[in-house]
Amino acid sequence: EPEVTQTPSHQVTQMGQEVILRCVPISNHLYFYWYRQILGQKVEFLVSFYNNEISEKSEIFDDQFSVERPDGSNFTLKIRSTKLEDSAMYFCASKTGTGYEKLFFGSGTQLSVL
Amino acid sequence: GESVGLHLPTLSVQEGDNSIINCAYSNSASDYFIWYKQESGKGPQFIIDIRSNMDKRQGQRVTVLLNKTVKHLSLQIAATQPGDSAVYFCAEIYYNQGGKLIFGQGTELSVKP
Repeated sequence: EPEVTQTPSHQVTQMGQEVILRCVPISNHLYFYWYRQILGQKVEFLVSFYNNEISEKSEIFDDQFSVERPDGSNFTLKIRSTKLEDSAMYFCASKTGTGYEKLFFGSGTQLSVL
Repeated sequence: GESVGLHLPTLSVQEGDNSIINCAYSNSASDYFIWYKQESGKGPQFIIDIRSNMDKRQGQRVTVLLNKTVKHLSLQIAATQPGDSAVYFCAEIYYNQGGKLIFGQGTELSVKP
């Protein structure tokens, strides 16, 4: 089965530093998402992206966050100035459409902000 | 508001028994629901889905039941196996908001041998 690939699997950074989390969605998918999961809590929606623009974002996704699809295969999440509370598992996901299609998740990047 | 929640945070069952995991949702306009399984250190994996024009759907060893009257969703796992131990989330799709999924809190299923 095709997979969503995320790198790195673990990222440790100092508070205030910028981090970029990388994702390679499934090749024929058109809709891309970032979710995060704080330890022991539910998976929370951050942002959806289609046709090179954000289609929806949550309250969590403030000005410190940005997403980009720099080429035909990668989808990145940037946090400009990390805070302690940004520590979480970040999941990338993709699907072919916004209808009744499966949403495929990557294995996640564990971000630790010290 | 946007809220999909679960009744029980943990569930412990004996291997071979059937498991039932419950979920309550609040958005009566939602018409598509999905159950995901999340094993430790991994991303959510699709298990089974159901559209609101159905009240039951069966997969391999899993059945999802939807009661729109009380906005309740359940996942039944038959003959639960140790490999079923994981956290299970229900989720609903918001089509008019970029197709985003809203997840519930999760139920941790532990299967005792």
